[in-house]
Amino acid sequence: QVQLVESGGGLVEPGGSLRLSCAVSGVTFSDYYMSWIRQAPGKGLEWVSYISSSGTTIYYADSVKGRFTISRDNAKSSLFLQLDSLRAEDTAVYYCATDQSRYSNADFHYWGQGTLVTVSS
Amino acid sequence: QLVLTQSPSASAYLGASVKLTCTLSSGHSSYAVAWHQQQPEKGPRYLMKVNSDGSHSRGDGIPDRFSGSSFGAERYLTISSLQSEDETDYYCQTWDTGIRVFGGGTNLTVL
Repeated sequence: QVQLVESGGGLVEPGGSLRLSCAVSGVTFSDYYMSWIRQAPGKGLEWVSYISSSGTTIYYADSVKGRFTISRDNAKSSLFLQLDSLRAEDTAVYYCATDQSRYSNADFHYWGQGTLVTVSS
Repeated sequence: QLVLTQSPSASAYLGASVKLTCTLSSGHSSYAVAWHQQQPEKGPRYLMKVNSDGSHSRGDGIPDRFSGSSFGAERYLTISSLQSEDETDYYCQTWDTGIRVFGGGTNLTVL
């Protein structure tokens, strides 16, 4: 059974920082690119960033470029997202999802349950 | 620019069928899309991938009431024998190097 479990969300003041984690089990983590996707309250899904299976290729949405940093630890089957210079508009539930692999395209076969980040003073 | 367009809402009767539409932006009509279902307060669930030739592949455990098809730049999700639990949000999604894109989502009401 594939499981993705996010953690690290919480309430943070504007300009603050937070580090999100995603623990993955049930798949060979190192086979998969991984993505972070977010959803603001009452809004749709927005892709944030993805990282290649080796960690050497990384892309960000323009809305977070220069403020967020994605990383991974294949030995611990874990994905991370460092959120810096946070703004009110970053308030959202953050999901991790499996991205492309040799078995699949970048069509997000598996998702976590999400972790809520609230940016407010 | 790679963009996906979905109608914000759709409705159909219990036991009937509904066809949701996702339209790819100009110049991207060959792209495949994925469909995801999201129940309230839950993470999304992968339903299927739909290719430009209309072929589709469902995710693990997705019933065959859910099917996909294509025509031109449009990708469709058809849900047959509608059940009350199908009343929720549906998102299409596509990809290219360096980008992943979601449609705005369709909220389905089962009457």
